[in-house]
Amino acid sequence: EDQVTQSPEALRLQEGESSSLNCSYTVSGLRGLFWYRQDPGKGPEFLFTLYSAGEEKEKERLKATLTKKESFLHITAPKPEDSATYLCAVQAPGGSYIPTFGRGTSLIVHP
Amino acid sequence: DTGVSQDPRHKITKRGQNVTFRCDPISEHNRLYWYRQTLGQGPEFLTYFQNEAQLEKSRLLSDRFSAERPKGSFSTLEIQRTEQGDSAMYLCASSLAGSKGNYGYTFGSGTRLTVV
Repeated sequence: EDQVTQSPEALRLQEGESSSLNCSYTVSGLRGLFWYRQDPGKGPEFLFTLYSAGEEKEKERLKATLTKKESFLHITAPKPEDSATYLCAVQAPGGSYIPTFGRGTSLIVHP
Repeated sequence: DTGVSQDPRHKITKRGQNVTFRCDPISEHNRLYWYRQTLGQGPEFLTYFQNEAQLEKSRLLSDRFSAERPKGSFSTLEIQRTEQGDSAMYLCASSLAGSKGNYGYTFGSGTRLTVV
């Protein structure tokens, strides 16, 4: 049973064309939701942690939001250097709080 | 501190051989995690340590896999009798227990294993 589903799998944007990535989750009692960026051949790089519905976090052109069922990563006026795979992970209730990752959204921003 | 270091970056091995990977976490982090990632998939949890104690292992971690973290510092992941299905990126991450994930996990750049 998938706990985390990310959509779309791939997204191509023109530079400056804003869009949103989706992460839907099925765990109840969410402990935390993480967003990571991963460049080819590298490990994931931490972006944000969200804990409760209504929470928002921003960093440069990225803004993450959280509801009770999903999270969005909004990308405003993207640049080619924003091209990467964006991963979402959720922390379910339990002793170890090990996060479960989604498959990611591969974003390509064309100049 | 330069972050989480993994060695080697790439490893090509013949099927049936044993391989060992090393991870050096951020020095003040007491938790260390191993993940495996295949193309087009997100990282899959394998195991984690708090200090030197291995506290959890995934069902993905077959008997051919073993991990250690002597003295609660660096960690090694060994795969015995490698199979082609073991080909993947092996990622190590570290964190500070009790931080509630406020700063997420810090990942290394991974070891890319290819079994031929």
